Formats: sequence, C-alpha cells, structure tokens
Amino acid sequence: EPEVTQTPSHQVTQMGQEVILRCVPISNHLYFYWYRQILGQKVEFLVSFYNNEISEKSEIFDDQFSVERPDGSNFTLKIRSTKLEDSAMYFCASSVWQGGDTEAFFGQGTRLTVV
Amino acid sequence: KQEVTQIPAALSVPEGENLVLNCSFTDSAIYNLQWFRQDPGKGLTSLLLIQSSQREQTSGRLNASLDKSSGRSTLYIAASQPGDSATYLCAVIGGSQGNLIFGKGTKLSVKP
Repeated sequence: EPEVTQTPSHQVTQMGQEVILRCVPISNHLYFYWYRQILGQKVEFLVSFYNNEISEKSEIFDDQFSVERPDGSNFTLKIRSTKLEDSAMYFCASSVWQGGDTEAFFGQGTRLTVV
Repeated sequence: KQEVTQIPAALSVPEGENLVLNCSFTDSAIYNLQWFRQDPGKGLTSLLLIQSSQREQTSGRLNASLDKSSGRSTLYIAASQPGDSATYLCAVIGGSQGNLIFGKGTKLSVKP
C-alpha cells in the first residue's frame, strides 16, 4: 500500500542551526502539507503546496520556514535558524484533494529536538 | 476561525465495552471530517473519512457519524480491545487547499 515516508525519524540540532526535514509523498498525489505537533498540544497546520508553489500557509509559517520540491519525488521543509520552541513532531501529508472526497495520508513524522 | 474540540480528553474503559468519542467544530462550512488514530510517538493513521454530504461511515468495529448543522461528530467503537488504546484525533477540512484543523484528541485506554 502506498505510504508517505519521512526522514529522519529523529533529529537533534543546536539552536541557530538550519535543518531540513524530508518527505516522499504518495506518487499520484498533488497536494502536499506540513504540520507540526508540539508535545502535548494539537496538530497544527503549517503550509500546503500545490503545483510547485505554496498554496496556503498559517501564521506559524514565518520567514524562517521554507518548503521545496527539489525533484519529482521529494518534498522538504527547511527551518533556517532553529529555536528551542521549534522542538516538535513534524508531519508531512499528501492528498489528491478533489474537494470532499479526499483523504489525507500522513507520514510517521520527524521528531525535531532543538538544544 | 474554525475551532475543533474533543471530549473527553481521556477515557479509560474495561475491555469489551462500547464507547463514544465526541468531536465538535464551530464552523459548519466544512468539506469533510476525518478521524485519525495516533499511537505514542508515532504518526497519524486515518480511520474514517466522512464527506460533508454524508451522515456516517463504518469500518469494522468503528462507526463515525456527522451532524454538520450542529457541528458534531461521534466515533463509536464497538467491543473495545486493549489494542484500541491510543489517542483519537478528529480533524476537519475548512480551507480550499485541503488543510486540516485538528482537535486535541481523546486518549483512550482499554484495560484487559
């Protein structure tokens, strides 16, 4: 069964460093998303990506974040200068998004720890 | 702004019980509603998707209902098992790009 894969599963980084989180969405999907979940809190939407550009972003997705689809399969989230409060589980998701009849599929997540 | 609330926050039941998890949302203009399961430290597994025009969906021992006008959904789990222990998340699509808005979840513990 097709699945969304994320790497790495866990990353530890020093405050101020740049990190890149990687995702391989399901191959026939057109919409890609990043979400984050701070420990003990809700899963929060960060950004959606369609047709090689950002289609929607939340207030959380500020200038330190960027997304890219560098080739036909990968979808990345870059955090330019990490802060302690960026420590969270980051989930990638993909869907075909045809309105109501669309299921979102999530990866297993990358746990980012900023020290 | 769409808000999703789940009650109760935690639930502990003996094995074999039928149970109901509740989800409410403030804006009835949703495309669909999706229920997920999350095991500790793991990703999100989709359980059921209910389109806004539908009333319910069933998968095995799970049944989810949707009352869009009142902004409510319930997830019914029949004959609960210890393997059902997990956090159950409710999410709605409110935006035109398919992004999900999540509740905080109900942490379910089924005791053998």
